[in-house]
Amino acid sequence: DQQVKQNSPSLSVQEGRISILNCDYTNSMFDYFLWYKKYPAEGPTFLISISSIKDKNEDGRFTVFLNKSAKHLSLHIVPSQPGDSAVYFCAARTSGGSYIPTFGRGTSLIVHP
Amino acid sequence: DAGVIQSPRHEVTEMGQEVTLRCKPISGHDYLFWYRQTMMRGLELLIYFNNNVPIDDSGMPEDRFSAKMPNASFSTLKIQPSEPRDSAVYFCASSMAGTGGNYGYTFGSGTRLTVV
Repeated sequence: DQQVKQNSPSLSVQEGRISILNCDYTNSMFDYFLWYKKYPAEGPTFLISISSIKDKNEDGRFTVFLNKSAKHLSLHIVPSQPGDSAVYFCAARTSGGSYIPTFGRGTSLIVHP
Repeated sequence: DAGVIQSPRHEVTEMGQEVTLRCKPISGHDYLFWYRQTMMRGLELLIYFNNNVPIDDSGMPEDRFSAKMPNASFSTLKIQPSEPRDSAVYFCASSMAGTGGNYGYTFGSGTRLTVV
């Protein structure tokens, strides 16, 4: 059973517009959430994270929003650029016990020039 | 630092053959992870080590899969015998506990395995 779900396998956006990638989780014990970005032929790299004590974290063009009651988080990229085209993985973990993150299946973002 | 180094980058083998994937973690990292990426399952954690000791191998799909970490700078993932359904990209990652946040979780570039 997938504890972290990315229900959209792909997303296509025009350059300059906003990209919104969604992620849902089922485990209420998760209290730290991360997004990773993966280019072809490379490993995933850390992009941005958010603790459950916050509902928003911003880093340049990237903002992550967390809605704990809905067990939902989203990654906003504004404005989108062709170089943002990649697979984005959502991940979640707990603070207690193993801190190993659980990953979603990923969403492939294509930003068209 | 050169990052997490995996070899080979690509491996094509025939069904039934033994396959060995290799990983060198970042120096000073005390955790090492092996993941498999497929379209259907995304990134699956296969096994992880802490200070060279296997901690959780519940993600290893079958007895055909085995992993070792003989020292802090080297780990292998072996598949024997290999099957076409093992075709996937295998990632190694390393991290250090206790630093908070992302814990320096760093992935290698992966090994693309094709079993024909």
